Amino acid sequence: GQNIDQPTEMTATEGAIVQINCTYQTSGFNGLFWYQQHAGEAPTFLSYNVLDGLEEKGRFSSFLSRSKGYSYLLLKELQMKDSASYLCAVKDSNYQLIWGAGTKLIIKP
Amino acid sequence: GAVVSQHPSWVICKSGTSVKIECRSLDFQATTMFWYRQFPKQSLMLMATSNEGSKATYEQGVEKDKFLINHASLTLSTLTVTSAHPEDSSFYICSAIEPDMNTEAFFGQGTRLTVV
Repeated sequence: GQNIDQPTEMTATEGAIVQINCTYQTSGFNGLFWYQQHAGEAPTFLSYNVLDGLEEKGRFSSFLSRSKGYSYLLLKELQMKDSASYLCAVKDSNYQLIWGAGTKLIIKP
Repeated sequence: GAVVSQHPSWVICKSGTSVKIECRSLDFQATTMFWYRQFPKQSLMLMATSNEGSKATYEQGVEKDKFLINHASLTLSTLTVTSAHPEDSSFYICSAIEPDMNTEAFFGQGTRLTVV
């Protein structure tokens, strides 16, 4: 079956760096996405990786290793507003999005 | 990025009534739209894939007669929750992908449904 794993919850300190990991096993691969979701709101797009390597976008970076079925989202200079759930999703061979359960990130002052 | 508009953003209805939620792609034609449900503190659960001009594909465990999906045009898909019950209270979100483009999914704002 298809499976995406990410930690349920993480805690970090304001101003610090946090890395959220995601491992996947899917039927085919057409890209991996990271979304941020605040409670009661729809997810918002953060990043997209289809080739191996690191994609940097401001304070957020996303890494992909297709051979390992692994990705991480790196958040730098954490701010209180970064407290949210972070969702990892993989587009499979049918271009369907397979979602992870999400990682709740708690930022402490 | 592309825009997906979902309406209403919240609705309260009585048990036994039906509620229709609309999802529109405003600046692109979406041949495929996805409907999700999200319970508090849980991740997105795909309910069904809506294909323009054909029947929706429902995920296992989702009652197609209860959750009616219509995708009559390239820019509009609707989800109707029929004979709603309190356990149907949830956050419903639609998303769409631009056809033939390997881009991200664009989400509607979501609809908070409360059945009393």
